[in-house]
This record gives sequence, C-alpha cells and structure tokens, in this order.
Amino acid sequence: ELKVEQNPLFLSMQEGKNYTIYCNYSTTSDRLYWYRQDPGKSLESLFVLLSNGAVKQEGRLMASLDTKARLSTLHITAAVHDLSATYFCAVDSRTNDMRFGAGTRLTVKP
Amino acid sequence: DAGVTQSPTHLIKTRGQQVTLRCSPKSGHDTVSWYQQALGQGPQFIFQYYEEEERQRGNFPDRFSGHQFPNYSSELNVNALLLGDSALYLCASSPNKNSPLHFGNGTRLTVT
Repeated sequence: ELKVEQNPLFLSMQEGKNYTIYCNYSTTSDRLYWYRQDPGKSLESLFVLLSNGAVKQEGRLMASLDTKARLSTLHITAAVHDLSATYFCAVDSRTNDMRFGAGTRLTVKP
Repeated sequence: DAGVTQSPTHLIKTRGQQVTLRCSPKSGHDTVSWYQQALGQGPQFIFQYYEEEERQRGNFPDRFSGHQFPNYSSELNVNALLLGDSALYLCASSPNKNSPLHFGNGTRLTVT
C-alpha cells in the first residue's frame, strides 16, 4: 500500500529565512502534487510534478521531484507571514486514488 | 465558472443516524473523489466515481457508500454514524489523471 510521509509535521520559521519540507513515498509513482490549506478552508493546488527531475517555482515556493529516490521537496525562500498554512504532498497511486501526507503546518513569525 | 460545490456546509447528527452529502464537480470534470479529513490530519481517500461507477475505494467500511449521477454530481452516504465519523468531508473533481484535484469547501460533519 502506498504510504506518504512528510517532515517536518510542524515548522516555525522567522520571516526572511529559508527552509525545505520533505515528502517521501513508498511505491513507484511519477505524479506528485503539492497543496496548501489555510485554517478552516479547503485545499488549493500549488504544484503538479509529472516526471523525474521536474522542478516548478511560484513566487517564494519551489517544488522538485526525484522519482528514483521517491522524494519530493518544497523549498521556501525568504519566508513571509502570508505563507503560513498547512502544506500537503499527495501522490498518485496509479490505482485511481491520490494519497496525502499528514501535512506540514508552517508558521512564519515576524 | 463555478468550482466544486458541496452541500451542506455544516451538519450535526446523532450516533446511529444516516447522512447524505452532496457534491457538484467543476464544469468539464467527470471524475469525483471523496476524502475524509479529521482534525489536524491529511485527507484520507474514501472512493472515486467515474462514469457513474465506483472506480476505486480506500480503507473505509461499507457504511460509506456513494453514487454518481449522469450529470457527474455525486453523493456520499454514511450509515450508522459513529462519533469517529466526525470530520471534514471533501469532494474533489478532476478532468483527467494528470490534473490536480479541485476541491470543494467541504462539509463539516459533527456526530454527537
């Protein structure tokens, strides 16, 4: 069964600092997604990574995928308060479902 | 263009009761997936519907059932509610396998 693990689960950062969130998964997949969820809200798609070596960037966030290592990273550059949210990675299991990690709750402090 | 819409937004039920949640997918999307998100956790896959049939199912008991209609809208039914069924139920739609899921705002179910 596909398992998706994120770390850290909780992350408190100072504004202006950099950090990386890691997402490991247990079985072969070449489709990985990153979502953002604000408190009390639904999930918003951030990135779709569809091949080994894929790298996507949007503003201060950059996501990458290494299918051989079964690892994706979400890198945060010069964090700002508006990035405070919970970030989920999700992996397509090839059996028509998408499995989510437990989420990384990010807090950016001034 | 309306996105994924879910109703109701909130629901309070008693143990043993039954509940039906509804979802209309984003226009142009024919696949609907349902997820359960307990507080502080990631969404857990319940099942997916495509062409009015359940295409895949997660590790949920038979108390959880669903349906997809010809207009691609979907229902999630939960029978014999337990306290542990209290969660945010999310519906998501997508146009194809390589696209990200588009989520609705969810239905917050509280079982007392």
